Amino acid sequence: AAGVIQSPRHLIKEKRETATLKCYPIPRHDTVYWYQQGPGQDPQFLISFYEKMQSDKGSIPDRFSAQQFSDYHSELNMSSLELGDSALYFCASTRQDSGELFFGEGSRLTVL
Amino acid sequence: GENVEQHPSTLSVQEGDSAVIKCTYSDSASNYFPWYKQELGKGPQLIIDIRSNVGEKKDQRIAVTLNKTAKHFSLHITETQPEDSAVYFCAASMNLYNAGNMLTFGGGTRLMVKP
Repeated sequence: AAGVIQSPRHLIKEKRETATLKCYPIPRHDTVYWYQQGPGQDPQFLISFYEKMQSDKGSIPDRFSAQQFSDYHSELNMSSLELGDSALYFCASTRQDSGELFFGEGSRLTVL
Repeated sequence: GENVEQHPSTLSVQEGDSAVIKCTYSDSASNYFPWYKQELGKGPQLIIDIRSNVGEKKDQRIAVTLNKTAKHFSLHITETQPEDSAVYFCAASMNLYNAGNMLTFGGGTRLMVKP
């Protein structure tokens, strides 16, 4: 079965640079979530989209923005990167009437 | 907001033994409780979930129990195998049908199954 696809899997950036992460949800899933997971920590909710509209916002810094496109893929844009932004970024998708959340393999961002 | 606590943080068992991981939550409005398994370098994988109208759910070697009165739920893995070794996260949500943004995760349990 198709899973949530994230790219790139690994990304290395310098401080103050920008980064863009992409997420392709499971087909027919209408909702996408972004999570950030620091080393040894549990995932923290950043932002979500339902039918291409932002549906909720968590602990997402103002330097980050995201959107969902007409094909339901989503992109997380991170600017003015800081060392503390180094983490695993997960995208997850679901159908609104399901509630079951399926995670991608994650994108590991390292900020030097 | 919701607070989920998970114990133990690490658990080491012998292959074939059972493993139990426990979580408590604070908000009685929570009604959806998924469990995720995360292997090194991979995303969390949903392994089982339980909704507030059910007290117990079983799927082969995995079972989850829920006690709404006490606000705790547990994951039980029987006949553990080395491939069960991973980090397990419990989570709680107050929105059954839009769980993702309302998911609060526990701190995780690193399970090690010794062959």
